[in-house]
Amino acid sequence: GESVGLHLPTLSVQEGDNSIINCAYSNSASDYFIWYKQESGKGPQFIIDIRSNMDKRQGQRVTVLLNKTVKHLSLQIAATQPGDSAVYFCAENIGGSQGNLIFGKGTKLSVKP
Amino acid sequence: KAGVTQTPRYLIKTRGQQVTLSCSPISGHRSVSWYQQTPGQGLQFLFEYFSETQRNKGNFPGRFSGRQFSNSRSEMNVSTLELGDSALYLCASSLSQRKNTEAFFGQGTRLTVV
Repeated sequence: GESVGLHLPTLSVQEGDNSIINCAYSNSASDYFIWYKQESGKGPQFIIDIRSNMDKRQGQRVTVLLNKTVKHLSLQIAATQPGDSAVYFCAENIGGSQGNLIFGKGTKLSVKP
Repeated sequence: KAGVTQTPRYLIKTRGQQVTLSCSPISGHRSVSWYQQTPGQGLQFLFEYFSETQRNKGNFPGRFSGRQFSNSRSEMNVSTLELGDSALYLCASSLSQRKNTEAFFGQGTRLTVV
C-alpha cells in the first residue's frame, strides 16, 4: 500500500479500548476544523468536523474536542476496532472557502486484536 | 454514486519532463482542490477551482498549474519535473465552495520522478 508518512507518531491500542489522538493547530484565526482518516492506498476520508464556536461535537463512536485557548484538537474513538487502524489527520481552514486546508502531520493508529 | 476518480493511479516520469494528472469529481460537485502528499511535508494544498476559476493557490512554484473544465473535471500539470516532485497527488471534490462543505478525496496519483 501507499506509505503516507515514514516517521509518524504512532498510537497503539487494544481492540475495544478508547483511543485519543491529539493535534495542535497553528493559526488562531482558523475557524473550522476537520478530522480525516487515511487507510493505506486510499485518499483521506472525512470523519468529523467542528466549528470554532463549539468545543465538542459527537459522531458515531467519535468525539472531537476543541480547545481554542491552547489551539488544540483531539479525536476520541470509542471501542476502537481493527478497522480503525489508519493514519489520522487534523486539518484547519482559515480561508473563506472549502479548499485550502492546512493538514497536520498525522498520527498512525494501530489496533491490536 | 461514483466517487472521485483520479487517473492515472501510477506514473513514472524522468526529470525535466512534464506531466498532466486528471481528476473527475463526484457528479454534481463543482469545487475541486488538489493536494500534494509526501512523507516529509505531509499533505500540502496546491490549488482550488470552482466554476472553472482558480479560487485559491498554495505556496508552490509556477511549474505547478491547473485548470477546471465546464463539466467540473480538473487537470493539474507539472512542468520541468524535479526529483522532489515525487509524491501522491490527491484531488478532493465538494458540492460547493462553502467552508463547511464536506470534501471527498480520490485515491490519488502516485508520481515517481527518476
